[in-house]
Amino acid sequence: RKEVEQDPGPFNVPEGATVAFNCTYSNSASQSFFWYRQDCRKEPKLLMSVYSSGNEDGRFTAQLNRASQYISLLIRDSKLSDSATYLCVVKGAGNQFYFGTGTSLTVIP
Amino acid sequence: DAGVIQSPRHEVTEMGQEVTLRCKPISGHDYLFWYRQTMMRGLELLIYFNNNVPIDDSGMPEDRFSAKMPNASFSTLKIQPSEPRDSAVYFCASSSIRGLRNEQFFGPGTRLTVL
Repeated sequence: RKEVEQDPGPFNVPEGATVAFNCTYSNSASQSFFWYRQDCRKEPKLLMSVYSSGNEDGRFTAQLNRASQYISLLIRDSKLSDSATYLCVVKGAGNQFYFGTGTSLTVIP
Repeated sequence: DAGVIQSPRHEVTEMGQEVTLRCKPISGHDYLFWYRQTMMRGLELLIYFNNNVPIDDSGMPEDRFSAKMPNASFSTLKIQPSEPRDSAVYFCASSSIRGLRNEQFFGPGTRLTVL
């Protein structure tokens, strides 16, 4: 079983739409959680950390449900520039980061 | 500040040849990670170092792969002999345990094609 599972999509949404991505993780001892963004043919970059109480950064909201081992990312008022692949990332008990395979988002004009 | 530097950016080689990928982490970072990314398998951790010491190499696919970190500012990933199934993008990343978000910073990657 993979450490992190994500729906690969693709998600194709119109500008201004709200879109949500989900991911599940297998190790209940996981310590930290993140969303990374990867543009086509580029390296992954940190989008935001995910805190237990949930957190918001502008149009982006991240939620963590430890009981269900589930992480989500909500993007409101989608922009064309949000088109990318979003990677769910879980940090294990050591310093290993486990990456999901990514969810592809295309925002359509 | 320069970010993580990787070279070469692209490598095309023939099956059986030795390939060496290079990485310079961000100065002051004490962790260095090597990843491989393919469409089928996504981003896979191959090995990571802490203070130049390999901590976990369980992701290294087989004995053909080896990685070294002779000092805090340089690491190599070597494939010998290379095979077509090694074709992928190889990323190096670094982080600092003292960083506020424990963020990993990735290099631009090396796109490897083995013919």
